[in-house]
Amino acid sequence: DVVMTQSPLSLPVTLGQPASISCRSSQSLVDSDGKTYLNWFHQRPGQSPRRLIYQVSNRDSGVPDRFSGSGSGTDFILKISRVEAEDVGVYYCMQGTHWPLTFGPGTTVDIK
Amino acid sequence: QVQLVQSGAEVKKPGSSVKVSCKASGGSFSTSTISWLRQAPGQGLEWVGGIVPIFGAAKTAQKFQGRVTVTADESTTTAYMELTSLRSEDTAVYYCATDINRPVGDSWGQGTLVTVSS
Repeated sequence: DVVMTQSPLSLPVTLGQPASISCRSSQSLVDSDGKTYLNWFHQRPGQSPRRLIYQVSNRDSGVPDRFSGSGSGTDFILKISRVEAEDVGVYYCMQGTHWPLTFGPGTTVDIK
Repeated sequence: QVQLVQSGAEVKKPGSSVKVSCKASGGSFSTSTISWLRQAPGQGLEWVGGIVPIFGAAKTAQKFQGRVTVTADESTTTAYMELTSLRSEDTAVYYCATDINRPVGDSWGQGTLVTVSS
């Protein structure tokens, strides 16, 4: 199985400041169709997860533009340009190129 | 977008089975990719299996070694996940979700807590 790692695992942030989460895969996530199936999810405490980003850098509908994704191959980043209070929770990267789908361990974002 | 409503919490004995349902409304159930995931207490997300109802064939994670069965009933727009030979390690919130790996919006159920305890 493809192993997904994230850093940091805990990220205290200041409101209004930027934040960045790194995600790395144990093998390339470039599929045979040329696409890279790397997704980012956000889970608020007590809620179901919700996807923010698909295929590395595409924001889902309704996701604020302060969220952006980048990367290629095995290294990916999720950036929040200015953290807001509603951004707290756990962020997971997930690869969908190889079966089975696998997730990173999660990065917990909270407010300093 | 699809709305997903899951069945209620379950308490099961070790060695027994559980079947969780996921009723879909709105959207296109038959052509959605329905995934089942689980989250043990205080832990991260784990993919359990998935199915595209119109195709019928399901994929499941090898780690479950045949203990999990994922099915879908197009006539009732309901997906099911059955897990057999339950162990305490199977205690988790089980989620159904649609299209988590496709370039269309994802939807998630509210989660179903399955507790395995003697």
